[in-house]
Amino acid sequence: AQKVTQAQTEISVVEKEDVTLDCVYETRDTTYYLFWYKQPPSGELVFLIRRNSFDEQNEISGRYSWNFQKSTSSFNFTITASQVVDSAVYFCALSGEGDYKLSFGAGTTVTVRA
Amino acid sequence: DAGITQSPRYKITETGRQVTLMCHQTWSHSYMFWYRQDLGHGLRLIYYSAAADITDKGEVPDGYVVSRSKTENFPLTLESATRSQTSVYYCASRDRTGTELGEQYFGPGTRLTVT
Repeated sequence: AQKVTQAQTEISVVEKEDVTLDCVYETRDTTYYLFWYKQPPSGELVFLIRRNSFDEQNEISGRYSWNFQKSTSSFNFTITASQVVDSAVYFCALSGEGDYKLSFGAGTTVTVRA
Repeated sequence: DAGITQSPRYKITETGRQVTLMCHQTWSHSYMFWYRQDLGHGLRLIYYSAAADITDKGEVPDGYVVSRSKTENFPLTLESATRSQTSVYYCASRDRTGTELGEQYFGPGTRLTVT
């Protein structure tokens, strides 16, 4: 069975602060895929980033960056210099090998105050 | 409309009634999914389909029925709605090609209230 845990329920920051969202996962698969999705107040789910289990290289894409560590089964996501428009619920998700199904964490609500 | 659409967007029904939520995608994606979103649980998979006439259960299938006679449509039916099925329902799709790394594309959601 696969499990994704987002221990942070809510995070509140002031604009321009950095925000790091934690994600810990469990899987027995040797090949798996990790995703982050954003859900703004309007409700739609927006794909942000993805990583496969063979690639632990951490990257930066604009104001987004992620830290993938297989040793600790963590896939943390950082928003640099947060903006009010970043206010949303962020979901971490996991997909197993040969399996297109997504297992989601419970989500972290991020509130960015002006 | 291009993309993935869901109808209705909002629905109020009574306990025991049958309700069907519609999902339509224009990309001809092979895979389609139904999730429900409840506070504290994130999104949980109800049913999914790998192709027309192929469906399989997800994590929380009880009380739901799906069908997929055409690639572009994937309706979800609550045969006898219960209050515990009050939720926001999301449909998603993705293509078969490529690796599992490909992302799913989500519809706008249907907010269902069972009274």
